[in-house]
Amino acid sequence: QVQLVQSGSELKKPGASVKVSCKASGYGFTTYFINWVRQAPGQGLEWMGFINANNGPTYAQAFTGRFVFSLDTSVSTAYLHINSLKPEDTAVYYCAKWYHFGSGGFYDYWGQGTLVTVSS
Amino acid sequence: EVVLTQSPGTLSLSPGERATLSCRASQSVSSNYLAWYQQKPGQAPRVLIYAASSRAIGIPDRFSGSGSGTDFALTISRLEPEDSAVYYCQLYQNTPPVTFGGGTKVEIK
Repeated sequence: QVQLVQSGSELKKPGASVKVSCKASGYGFTTYFINWVRQAPGQGLEWMGFINANNGPTYAQAFTGRFVFSLDTSVSTAYLHINSLKPEDTAVYYCAKWYHFGSGGFYDYWGQGTLVTVSS
Repeated sequence: EVVLTQSPGTLSLSPGERATLSCRASQSVSSNYLAWYQQKPGQAPRVLIYAASSRAIGIPDRFSGSGSGTDFALTISRLEPEDSAVYYCQLYQNTPPVTFGGGTKVEIK
C-alpha cells in the first residue's frame, strides 16, 4: 500500500537549519509530484510547493529563498530543507502525493507530518 | 490568484443533523479543480471529495459535494460523532497551482 513516512519532530534554534524527510513506498516514486504543505499552530493549510523527478522544484511565492526541496530517487525520498530558521517557521510540515486527475488533481496520500519548533 | 473563502468558521450541530459547508471562489473555476479534505486533531488531512462531487475511495456516502462556478458545498447528511473535524476546500489552478480555503470547524454537540 502507498505510504509516506516522515522524519520525527525537530527542535531548533533561530538561525539553524533543518532537513525533513518523506520516504515514499507502494507506488512509482518518480511518476508523481510530491508537495509540501505547512500548518502553523492552530492555523490552516498553506501550500509550499512541489517537486518531481522530471521537472525539479516549484515554490510558492512565500517560500522562495530559505526553503529547498530535493529528491533522492534511489531511496524514494523527498526532502524539505529550511535554512536560517525563524520562530515563525514553527509548524507542522506535511508531504503529500499529488494525484493528477483529468485536468485537475488532489492529494491522495499524506505523510503523518513533522513538527518543527524554532525557539531559543 | 483565486481566493477560497469558507463559511461558516464553526458549525455546531447534533448527531444525525445535516451539515452544509460552503466554499466560495473569488472567480469562476472548473469543478474538476475543487477538492475537500477532513482533518482531525493531530492527524494529516484526508481527501473526501475530488472534482467537486466525486467521493474518494472509502469515504462514506453521507459525505457529498456539489457546486460549480464560484460556489461549492460539502454536505454531511447525517452527522456522526467521528465527523468532528476541520474541513478544507482546495483548488488546483495555474498560478499558484494549489490554494486552500481557511477551513470550517465542525463540532458535534
